[in-house]
Amino acid sequence: EIVLTQSPGTLSLSPGERAILSCRASQSVTSGHVAWYQQKPGQAPRLLIYGASNRAPGIPDRFSGIGSGTDFTLTISRMEPEDFAVYYCQQQGGSPELTFGPGTKVDLK
Amino acid sequence: QVQLQESGPRLVKPSETMSLTCTVSGGSITSSYWSWIRQSPGKGLEWIAHLYHNGVTKYNPSFESRVTISVDTSKIHFSLRMNSVTAADTAVYYCARHVWPPAGAFHIWGQGAEVTVSS
Repeated sequence: EIVLTQSPGTLSLSPGERAILSCRASQSVTSGHVAWYQQKPGQAPRLLIYGASNRAPGIPDRFSGIGSGTDFTLTISRMEPEDFAVYYCQQQGGSPELTFGPGTKVDLK
Repeated sequence: QVQLQESGPRLVKPSETMSLTCTVSGGSITSSYWSWIRQSPGKGLEWIAHLYHNGVTKYNPSFESRVTISVDTSKIHFSLRMNSVTAADTAVYYCARHVWPPAGAFHIWGQGAEVTVSS
């Protein structure tokens, strides 16, 4: 099983600041299929990034993803009020085929 | 625009079978992969199983012995059956459509069905 670890657990920021979220895999994600999701209370996760660096339709360009192998990063260039949420990474590979990280909470400083 | 909606009993007794249905509106199950995912405070987000539009399925080994997913002939519903449920199966259950072309990501999600296992 490919285990995903996300850091930090909580990130406290102000609007306008940059957010850098990390996702590390226990073994290489050879498919390159790493995705990032945003989840707000009471809502389903929303796909932000797939294939490590491709923005999903309708996602603002302040969200960007990069990475390969075992290290992946989601960057939010300038935090907007609506960006405070929990962010999950997810990968495809190994068994089980699809796994999620535990999440990073981005809250208001 | 494709939308998904989960339906089914929200309270299930221990040892019984839980059944949920995902209804697809604005489209049909004629392409892509379709999954069931659950979320609980203790285990976080867990992928349960997916099916391809032709009915081929794949299961998370953690659930494989007691879960069945299937698509109906109308191609607008797919279902999840989980038997021998326990309190540990209390969670929000989501159905989701994968990104197409395949990239191992869940593009469209239902709003979720909160299921409680309790006597």
